[in-house]
Amino acid sequence: QMQLVQSGPEVKKPGTSVKVSCKTSGFTFSNSAVQWVRQARGQRLEWIGWIVVGSGHTNYPQKFQERVTISRDMSTGTVYMEVRSLSSEDTAVYYCAADRGGSGDVFEYWGLGTLVTVSS
Amino acid sequence: QSALTQPASVSGSPGQSITIYCTGSSSDIGGYNYVSWFQQHPGKAPKLMIYDVSNRASGVSKRFSGSKSGNTASLTISGLQAEDEADYYCCSYTNSRTRVFGTGTKITVL
Repeated sequence: QMQLVQSGPEVKKPGTSVKVSCKTSGFTFSNSAVQWVRQARGQRLEWIGWIVVGSGHTNYPQKFQERVTISRDMSTGTVYMEVRSLSSEDTAVYYCAADRGGSGDVFEYWGLGTLVTVSS
Repeated sequence: QSALTQPASVSGSPGQSITIYCTGSSSDIGGYNYVSWFQQHPGKAPKLMIYDVSNRASGVSKRFSGSKSGNTASLTISGLQAEDEADYYCCSYTNSRTRVFGTGTKITVL
């Protein structure tokens, strides 16, 4: 059974960093790709970036290129997303999603989301 | 990369067919056959419905179909049902090797 289990909610102060984890199971981790998406309350989905697990290759849109790092731990099947220099605009639910074939086109499996709140 | 453009809302009666349009540019939708559609119910994670323009994801009803013409992709829901009431988002690969979501469309079943 394919599963993505995300870490729990976080409350952070402006200017600090947050690292959210996404533990996978039920598929061959090394063949997969994982993307991160966020959604502020009442707003649209926003694509943050992705990692091709086998190669470790990552890609981010320009908006997040300087502040976000996506990484993976092959030994535990876990993907991480770190966001630095947080501001209130980063308050959102962050989702990970996996494409077990690794093509980056079929993100069928989603975590339940992690709420990150940035507040002074 | 700007968000793809979708209508804010579309409504229909049970049994009707509705179509949601998603407009981008030659840098995203028009340049690649990598358009996905996601359904999202309130408080839930998105669910993949369509990938690669017109392929239904596993377990998705045949009532859902996708297509593309030029810089515009579309999702058609036939035989509209109450359970289809949700937000729908398109998503496209871009020439920056990234992805971009649409602005989202709220489907209301009258």
